[in-house]
Amino acid sequence: DADVTQTPRNRITKTGKRIMLECSQTKGHDRMYWYRQDPGLGLRLIYYSFDVKDINKGEISDGYSVSRQAQAKFSLSLESAIPNQTALYFCATSDYSGTSIGELFFGEGSRLTVL
Amino acid sequence: TQLLEQSPQFLSIQEGENLTVYCNSSSVFSSLQWYRQEPGEGPVLLVTVVTGGEVKKLKRLTFQFGDARKDSSLHITAAQPGDTGLYLCAGGKSNQFYFGTGTSLTVIP
Repeated sequence: DADVTQTPRNRITKTGKRIMLECSQTKGHDRMYWYRQDPGLGLRLIYYSFDVKDINKGEISDGYSVSRQAQAKFSLSLESAIPNQTALYFCATSDYSGTSIGELFFGEGSRLTVL
Repeated sequence: TQLLEQSPQFLSIQEGENLTVYCNSSSVFSSLQWYRQEPGEGPVLLVTVVTGGEVKKLKRLTFQFGDARKDSSLHITAAQPGDTGLYLCAGGKSNQFYFGTGTSLTVIP
């Protein structure tokens, strides 16, 4: 089984619908991230969380919200989806240690299409 | 606006050729990482460099961090079809990772 699991892997929805993307991890890491990937733009940070009680906005948080339900679970919500939120979404964890920035471990991605 | 710009965006070469991918920024980073992503998968870390001027080699891949810690390069010697993928640089700054725009490499057998 994958260490970082995202569900659903693919989703097609309509404008105005509420969508939740879920992420769970078995790596035991405190730090979790949601990124969005668009062609030619690389990965852009949406939200990140350094522990269960910590939530921070990233570069492109408008139109998104998150919930850190437990150390292992971090979900991303689109309250009212719009077509320009069509993208590939990645959840990641980090093994940051305090002395090293660590490494990002990614899930396999959730492809979202908003019609 | 992307903090990190990569060039070229697309690269298609023949097996056995050499290539260099560049990652540039006007910002200083505490560390620079390179990831590789294959279709249908998430990016996977290749290397982390933390010291200005640092050079690291990973088999046929050579990574360099600029002296001023604002830029980096990835050089691949004798490219092979298995090197095909999307290469992403990522700068570490204020406990966050900022990704570059990506370079899509295709190595033709």
